[in-house]
Amino acid sequence: DTEVTQTPKHLVMGMTNKKSLKCEQHMGHRAMYWYKQKAKKPPELMFVYSYEKLSINESVPSRFSPECPNSSLLNLHLHALQPEDSALYLCASSGTGWESDTQYFGPGTRLTVL
Amino acid sequence: SQQGEEDPQALSIQEGENATMNCSYKTSINNLQWYRQNSGRGLVHLILIRSNEREKHSGRLRVTLDTSKKSSSLLITASRAADTASYFCATDGGSNYKLTFGKGTLLTVNP
Repeated sequence: DTEVTQTPKHLVMGMTNKKSLKCEQHMGHRAMYWYKQKAKKPPELMFVYSYEKLSINESVPSRFSPECPNSSLLNLHLHALQPEDSALYLCASSGTGWESDTQYFGPGTRLTVL
Repeated sequence: SQQGEEDPQALSIQEGENATMNCSYKTSINNLQWYRQNSGRGLVHLILIRSNEREKHSGRLRVTLDTSKKSSSLLITASRAADTASYFCATDGGSNYKLTFGKGTLLTVNP
């Protein structure tokens, strides 16, 4: 199974809402990632979890809160977002993260903040 | 700033033709990867080339790496309409975990 799944596929939320994005992989990968991608731009790294611990936080605003409940799951909790946070949010995983292993991406969650 | 810069930004070709995309980067790397992204979907890994490799093949794909020039190229031979997508190079900047993606090349293959 080389699949990374993400739910929901689409999400529309108001600026006062609290929502969560979910990501799951069953490849036994120990590194998981959140990326943000605006239209016609490359993905930008937000967070990296390695062995269920936060390894990298790319100075992301606190309205984005990642969580890694176990080695297969990765969540991104959203609160008090701004319209400029509307984007495609991609989850990825890799074997170990050492020497930048191949990353396997999910299909993404298209987020719209009203 | 982005590690990788793809060139050209957009490329339109006919089916059966070859497509070449280039990537330049700024710092030392352990490896360089190429990914494909169909419109609005997740990225698919195509090929990884390590810093001590100069050329790598995978099916219709050929990747070259010139670390002295800090550049890489992706060649897709005998293109198909299904190859229409954005192609990104990604570099690790010599660090673990962190990939930095270039701006991408939008390839359109016309049937």
